[in-house]
Amino acid sequence: GENVEQHPSTLSVQEGDSAVIKCTYSDSASNYFPWYKQELGKRPQLIIDIRSNVGEKKDQRIAVTLNKTAKHFSLHITETQPEDSAVYFCAATSSNYKLTFGKGTLLTVNP
Amino acid sequence: DAGVIQSPRHEVTEMGQEVTLRCKPISGHDYLFWYRQTMMRGLELLIYFNNNVPIDDSGMPEDRFSAKMPNASFSTLKIQPSEPRDSAVYFCASSLTGSLNEQYFGPGTRLTVT
Repeated sequence: GENVEQHPSTLSVQEGDSAVIKCTYSDSASNYFPWYKQELGKRPQLIIDIRSNVGEKKDQRIAVTLNKTAKHFSLHITETQPEDSAVYFCAATSSNYKLTFGKGTLLTVNP
Repeated sequence: DAGVIQSPRHEVTEMGQEVTLRCKPISGHDYLFWYRQTMMRGLELLIYFNNNVPIDDSGMPEDRFSAKMPNASFSTLKIQPSEPRDSAVYFCASSLTGSLNEQYFGPGTRLTVT
């Protein structure tokens, strides 16, 4: 089945700096790559997603890039704010139509 | 819409007892997913349904776990008998088009088995 690796597991940045989280996947047939944000004690919520026919997608301060050849995708957050502090999960939908999540990145934005 | 509804929000039970978790998906969503979240294993898909039919239960850890979806607005996840290693947060999620679009998660049920 699909294997999704996510790095780093923790990331600490100063307010205003950028944050980058990287993921790799194993199933070359995977075609949908969402990113979820989970605040402490809350449910995961989708923040952005990208499909395999697109290389980059941006929504205000967040962007996602996809490299199908290398089988990796990344989340970029610019001008970070304290409210961006949360756990971020990457995920991939593989050829068996199941969504597999990475282990998560705890992002801390220091004021 | 109220979103995905789960009950109970917290459950504390003793080892060996039966536990039933409940989920009401968003109206009109054809797919329902059950996930388990732990620090060690992260978010794991246990089972998912399409139009009330179980499609893939390969993530269900053992025969002690079972899930049903008797109608489009209700699903249950049952653990019998429960064990301390079942302690986790269990999320239900629903979506319009399976795993190729946004899944909407419920608030989760925090299960503690002592």
